Amino acid sequence: DAGVTQSPTHLIKTRGQHVTLRCSPISGHKSVSWYQQVLGQGPQFIFQYYEKEERGRGNFPDRFSARQFPNYSSELNVNALLLGDSALYLCASRRGYEQYFGPGTRLTVT
Amino acid sequence: AQSVAQPEDQVNVAEGNPLTVKCTYSVSGNPYLFWYVQYPNRGLQFLLKYITGDNLVKGSYGFEAEFNKSQTSFHLKKPSALVSDSALYFCAVRGVDGSSNTGKLIFGQGTTLQVKP
Repeated sequence: DAGVTQSPTHLIKTRGQHVTLRCSPISGHKSVSWYQQVLGQGPQFIFQYYEKEERGRGNFPDRFSARQFPNYSSELNVNALLLGDSALYLCASRRGYEQYFGPGTRLTVT
Repeated sequence: AQSVAQPEDQVNVAEGNPLTVKCTYSVSGNPYLFWYVQYPNRGLQFLLKYITGDNLVKGSYGFEAEFNKSQTSFHLKKPSALVSDSALYFCAVRGVDGSSNTGKLIFGQGTTLQVKP
């Protein structure tokens, strides 16, 4: 089985722009979570979705939003990008207690 | 407040020697604890978890971890380190919202493990 996939791998954006990141969970996994990992830090929880409903939100501004589709894939949207949004964005799908992470999308904001 | 602390930014060990990467946690209720490893430019790979039961849990690649409730610790161990174990290691605890377990993980800052030949 394929693991969690994310696209794009890398992305360069300018301040003020918006970005959409995509994630496909492991087949059969209905829960998807998003994390932001700034260089030198541990991942920080952004959102969790289960069966297309938001089940958790971390301490991030409203510029961050997400949704989950009927096939359980997910999008993370970030509006009005700031330099501080530069990070590795990780998607994870969950079954039971274990979360499995994708390779991430490296976002650079200039 | 829920938190995870990894007190060492870096751990250096010689190949063949035992290694320990330390982790302490703070969470209300029974903790669900995890270790992940991250190689350069890669996502996180699951190593092992503690949910309940035996305090010594075994995971992937020969790693194990010891849960100590009185010391609120969950240290990662391996009897004999390999150069290929060199990577960034994260300890995490599952977040609790009120009386409910949530799906979110709270991560420590990470510990870089350097295994030298």
